[in-house]
Amino acid sequence: AQSVTQLGSHVSVSEGALVLLRCNYSSSVPPYLFWYVQYPNQGLQLLLKYTSAATLVKGINGFEAEFKKSETSFHLTKPSAHMSDAAEYFCAVSDLRNFGNEKLTFGTGTRLTIIP
Amino acid sequence: ETGVTQSPTHLIKTRGQQVTLRCSSQSGHNTVSWYQQALGQGPQFIFQYYREEENGRGNFPPRFSGLQFPNYSSELNVNALELDDSALYLCASSIRGGRPEQYFGPGTRLTVT
Repeated sequence: AQSVTQLGSHVSVSEGALVLLRCNYSSSVPPYLFWYVQYPNQGLQLLLKYTSAATLVKGINGFEAEFKKSETSFHLTKPSAHMSDAAEYFCAVSDLRNFGNEKLTFGTGTRLTIIP
Repeated sequence: ETGVTQSPTHLIKTRGQQVTLRCSSQSGHNTVSWYQQALGQGPQFIFQYYREEENGRGNFPPRFSGLQFPNYSSELNVNALELDDSALYLCASSIRGGRPEQYFGPGTRLTVT
């Protein structure tokens, strides 16, 4: 079974500082990996995805993530935090074997707070 | 391009009642998945529909059921509501055989009292 672990349920960074949100996955086969962002009282918006092409993936709003198979990690980073980045971030995994049933398994989320 | 829409936005029901939530998929998408997000948690997969048939179910009891219509829109039905069913219900659409990502609607907030 697949699983995702997000280390740190709450992360606070100063405006302009580096954002690092951690995600580790468990999967017996190569996975698809995703980061979604959720603003208060809204649905989930796709930030970026890894689908076995380039290991460094760039997404929207200046975010990027690096797939490291040896560490089973897919950490999300942004060089300089903006106030508008304050939100809940979810890492998710999908099993490549289950083509046709690509359910997403989510982590428990990381709430990012930006300090002015 | 029209995104995923859900209705209603909010709903309050009493324990034991039944509820129907609706979802319209993004234009060109043929697969709909439903997720339950309890407060402070990540979304949990309920089930997925493709070609009007259920295609995969998570760890949810049979009182959670769904439908998909020929235009790919979908309904989630929950019978015999329990207090623990209070959550944000998210619908996501995708393209079977296409890109693997799912696109989410804004959700329906269900409160069971």
